[in-house]
Amino acid sequence: DAGVIQSPRHEVTEMGQEVTLRCKPISGHDYLFWYRQTMMRGLELLIYFNNNVPIDDSGMPEDRFSAKMPNASFSTLKIQPSEPRDSAVYFCASSYSGETQYFGPGTRLLVL
Amino acid sequence: DAKTTQPPSMDCAEGRAANLPCNHSTISGNEYVYWYRQIHSQGPQYIIHGLKNNETNEMASLIITEDRKSSTLILPHATLRDTAVYYCIVRDLMDSSYKLIFGSGTRLLVRP
Repeated sequence: DAGVIQSPRHEVTEMGQEVTLRCKPISGHDYLFWYRQTMMRGLELLIYFNNNVPIDDSGMPEDRFSAKMPNASFSTLKIQPSEPRDSAVYFCASSYSGETQYFGPGTRLLVL
Repeated sequence: DAKTTQPPSMDCAEGRAANLPCNHSTISGNEYVYWYRQIHSQGPQYIIHGLKNNETNEMASLIITEDRKSSTLILPHATLRDTAVYYCIVRDLMDSSYKLIFGSGTRLLVRP
């Protein structure tokens, strides 16, 4: 199995621009998680889906952030408009039945 | 907040066993102990988990004390590639929040 796939691996953008991060979970997994990692706050759960349905988005920082999962093999995390404080590494993880979570390589986002 | 306590850093010599301790004195009966590690610039990697019995897999061994208030992750023959931050996490698999709460972890340095 290829594991969790994320794209792009690196993204540099200017403040105010829209940013879209993409994730392909491990085939057969029914849970998908989006995390954010910063030096100040460590790893934080933003949102997670079960069978493509958002279950808990309490970690999403504000309305500028949105996430979708149109099918079992694809999810997006969108930031519009982006701000410098959104600079972080964003990880996607997937699991089967909510048990062991397997993480992707992350997207390193820099907002100038 | 993380429910575990780990030393901030440790080191060991290449080829020797690395023993990473974790204190989880408030663990409840349904909570598992999970270990992840994060190698620089990579996503967190699942290592092992257990409830009350000792566990072993191809990566490591997990020793949980009888009272379950602490555990030790053992890398039997550490290599330079094992240099990483190691996270001990307690998690109730019956908890529908599915959150993995990462603390500060232990930064393990394997010396040549």
